[in-house]
Amino acid sequence: DGGITQSPKYLFRKEGQNVTLSCEQNLNHDAMYWYRQDPGQGLRLIYYSQIVNDFQKGDIAEGYSVSREKKESFPLTVTSAQKNPTAFYLCASSNLAGGPYEQYFGPGTRLTVT
Amino acid sequence: DAKTTQPNSMESNEEEPVHLPCNHSTISGTDYIHWYRQLPSQGPEYVIHGLTSNVNNRMASLAIAEDRKSSTLILHRATLRDAAVYYCILMYTGGFKTIFGAGTRLFVKA
Repeated sequence: DGGITQSPKYLFRKEGQNVTLSCEQNLNHDAMYWYRQDPGQGLRLIYYSQIVNDFQKGDIAEGYSVSREKKESFPLTVTSAQKNPTAFYLCASSNLAGGPYEQYFGPGTRLTVT
Repeated sequence: DAKTTQPNSMESNEEEPVHLPCNHSTISGTDYIHWYRQLPSQGPEYVIHGLTSNVNNRMASLAIAEDRKSSTLILHRATLRDAAVYYCILMYTGGFKTIFGAGTRLFVKA
């Protein structure tokens, strides 16, 4: 089945540690995205990538880093510089050719930092 | 960036139709109107999209105003499984900088 996988589903870390969230897609999509969601809130864009080896900052990129070495993979690292890292993280992908740019989402990773 | 406005919450009875409104007064000509829904602790799920004309699919219908400044998602017969947060979003040129607001939380009563 085609889709997006995120792992792990739940992640616990101590403050001061970097942590990497995995995102893989087999939909052959060009674009991939990372969003953060806090309780009762909408999604906020962290980073996005249109093509391999290229990515752009979204609205809340500070304290996060990404890489796009393969079309299928777009891992997100939450660094110790991120002030409030505890949140629900969602990865998505979409085609870029001619719209309508529907985004497919993974199941999410819930990160708790104590 | 184009923004949408939705009511915070709505309530419906099971088996009745639900009309979820969305205002997008700053929409531009190339923006697609998308609707997604999100169940608790899951990623959002695509529901429907449109550009200018009304659209139907197996999940819902989308009614778009003639001036495109508002749209309505129609669930023809609400079920308990339709209880979710519904997001109305404008997608353009690859969907970058897409803004997901807080959405409308739909409660469905048995």
